[in-house]
Amino acid sequence: DSGVTQTPKHLITATGQRVTLRCSPRSGDLSVYWYQQSLDQGLQFLIQYYNGEERAKGNILERFSAQQFPDLHSELNLSSLELGDSALYFCASSPRGIEQFFGPGTRLTVL
Amino acid sequence: GENVGLHLPTLSVQEGDNSIINCAYSNSASDYFIWYKQESGKGPQFIIDIRSNMDKRQGQRVTVLLNKTVKHLSLQIAATQPGDSAVYFCAEILTGGGNKLTFGTGTQLKVEL
Repeated sequence: DSGVTQTPKHLITATGQRVTLRCSPRSGDLSVYWYQQSLDQGLQFLIQYYNGEERAKGNILERFSAQQFPDLHSELNLSSLELGDSALYFCASSPRGIEQFFGPGTRLTVL
Repeated sequence: GENVGLHLPTLSVQEGDNSIINCAYSNSASDYFIWYKQESGKGPQFIIDIRSNMDKRQGQRVTVLLNKTVKHLSLQIAATQPGDSAVYFCAEILTGGGNKLTFGTGTQLKVEL
């Protein structure tokens, strides 16, 4: 158990819908990272927050957004969902950025 | 598993043998290189990291070697056990840019009894 929690574990929705994925980092970790793992793209960095502020962006679509709240939990919002958004979404937290601890992931299925 | 859509190289080893997993990285400016293990249905798990100014680092049953000349990274697992069966990813970090991980494709390690 990494200490990072993600909810929900599974999410099934339809195209065009909007979903919110939630992540609670390890106690004391200020950095939260979001990654997408798809069958054809592998593990891809989406976005990073540090103590409530956006720190880095990767290949995140404009339809996707995230935020980190004062209690350090983070949410990833995915809107206007397409079939290709079906993937595993992982959150990771880190005390210093090098060793990142991953949560169990949320499996998103868009039908 | 999660990576069946990708053409993952597979390494099959006998239990008790040593395993060597290789990775070619892309950014010669990366500061750290990390190995992650991902078991089916789970998130990636940190194994070991190495700073770019080092060429070797040892952990418990694992050794990482870094060859910056050819941009090559390897993970050696000693006395491979069934529990080592997983997909192994190398990743690189360029610090100062948010410390985002750039992952390689991954290698499927299968331990045969």
